[in-house]
Amino acid sequence: KNEVEQSPQNLTAQEGEFITINCSYSVGISALHWLQQHPGGGIVSLFMLSSGKKKHGRLIATINIQEKHSSLHITASHPRDSAVYICAVITGGGADGLTFGKGTHLIIQP
Amino acid sequence: DAGITQSPRHKVTETGTPVTLRCHQTENHRYMYWYRQDPGHGLRLIHYSYGVKDTDKGEVSDGYSVSRSKTEDFLLTLESATSSQTSVYFCAITPGQGETQYFGPGTRLLVL
Repeated sequence: KNEVEQSPQNLTAQEGEFITINCSYSVGISALHWLQQHPGGGIVSLFMLSSGKKKHGRLIATINIQEKHSSLHITASHPRDSAVYICAVITGGGADGLTFGKGTHLIIQP
Repeated sequence: DAGITQSPRHKVTETGTPVTLRCHQTENHRYMYWYRQDPGHGLRLIHYSYGVKDTDKGEVSDGYSVSRSKTEDFLLTLESATSSQTSVYFCAITPGQGETQYFGPGTRLLVL
């Protein structure tokens, strides 16, 4: 069973700060998701990556397969980025679903 | 947004009663999943389906059963609801193995 750990569990920052959320996993994977969940809201996939780096707007996700580690960065953070960010991995073929970290609760204060 | 809906969105029921949650998709995706989300545990896989009538158990399947008689519908049944099944339930779909998963809006279930 793949163990997925995220850090930090909670993060409060000021608007404009550069944010980093980390994810590590114990078993080799085929891909990794970063998901976003707003309070009381649904879950949205931000990125799926299996190597290297992806960028979308102010969000950047990187993964190091050898070190079993991924990071999600937010540049020029804004209060609307306040949400729970969840790392999830696909182990093996991927048909049997995702294994999730417990999430990082991010609050950006104006 | 992927065409995926869940019903009901909210439900309150009593211990021992049967409950069925429905996930409906309009994307014709092959794979469908049921997850539950609980404080301190995060999201965990209950059951999944890789085609019509093809289902398998996930990490926390005890007390749950599923059925998929049509591509678009994946039903989750709690045969006899218990308070430990109070949770938020999410359905997800994906077109292929290892591809992006799209989540439904969730169902909040309270078992009294």
